[in-house]
Amino acid sequence: GQNIDQPTEMTATEGAIVQINCTYQTSGFNGLFWYQQHAGEAPTFLSYNVLDGLEEKGRFSSFLSRSKGYSYLLLKELQMKDSASYLCAVKSREYGNKLVFGAGTILRVKS
Amino acid sequence: GAGVSQSPSNKVTEKGKDVELRCDPISGHTALYWYRQSLGQGLEFLIYFQGNSAPDKSGLPSDRFSAERTGGSVSTLTIQRTQQEDSAVYLCASSPGGGSSSYEQYFGPGTRLTVT
Repeated sequence: GQNIDQPTEMTATEGAIVQINCTYQTSGFNGLFWYQQHAGEAPTFLSYNVLDGLEEKGRFSSFLSRSKGYSYLLLKELQMKDSASYLCAVKSREYGNKLVFGAGTILRVKS
Repeated sequence: GAGVSQSPSNKVTEKGKDVELRCDPISGHTALYWYRQSLGQGLEFLIYFQGNSAPDKSGLPSDRFSAERTGGSVSTLTIQRTQQEDSAVYLCASSPGGGSSSYEQYFGPGTRLTVT
C-alpha cells in the first residue's frame, strides 16, 4: 500500500515477545487496523486504533502515535500458531476512507 | 450467522477468456471491497462499494476489470480477456459501515484465479 511500511519478515522464539512496527504517511487519518493472515487463508481482524495509546486484547496489544505516523503490534507469550503474516492497514480521507493495506510482515515462530 | 462467501473457490481459465467472480457479503453490510493478492504479496485494493454511493474504482488495474453490486448485496467482479498476470487470489470483504467508521472488514475465503 502507498506510504505504509512494515518489515518484510521477522523471526521470534516460542514464549517470547515480538513487536511488529508500521509507519504511515497520510492526511485525514481515520484509523489503523491490524489483521492476521495465515498462509492460504483470508485475513482476520486483530485490532483497531484511532486515538493515541495502547489497546490491549489478551496476548495482543496495538499502539498508535498519530503525531509520529507510527503503530506497533505487540504479541506476548508467542505460540507456534502465531506464525502468520501481519497486515497493517490505514483508513484516511486521503484514501477516500477505504482501507489501504501495507505489504504485511511475515512472522516465523520457532521452538 | 453466515460469513462472506465467494465463488468459485478456484478458477482455471485460458488466456483471453472472460471470468466472473462472485461475492455474497454478510447480510446488512453496506460496505463491500474487492482486493487482489498475488503469492507472498500484500492486499491490492481494487474497488469499494458503500451503500448507494458511486463506487470507488481507483484500484482497478485496467479497463478489462469491472465490478457491479446488485441491490446493495451480491457483487460480481468481471475480468475480460484475461492475461497471465491476472493470476492471483481475489478477496472480497464486507463491513457494517464504510466511510470513517471503525468497523472492521470481514473477509471471504477468496477465489484463486489461474490464467494459463
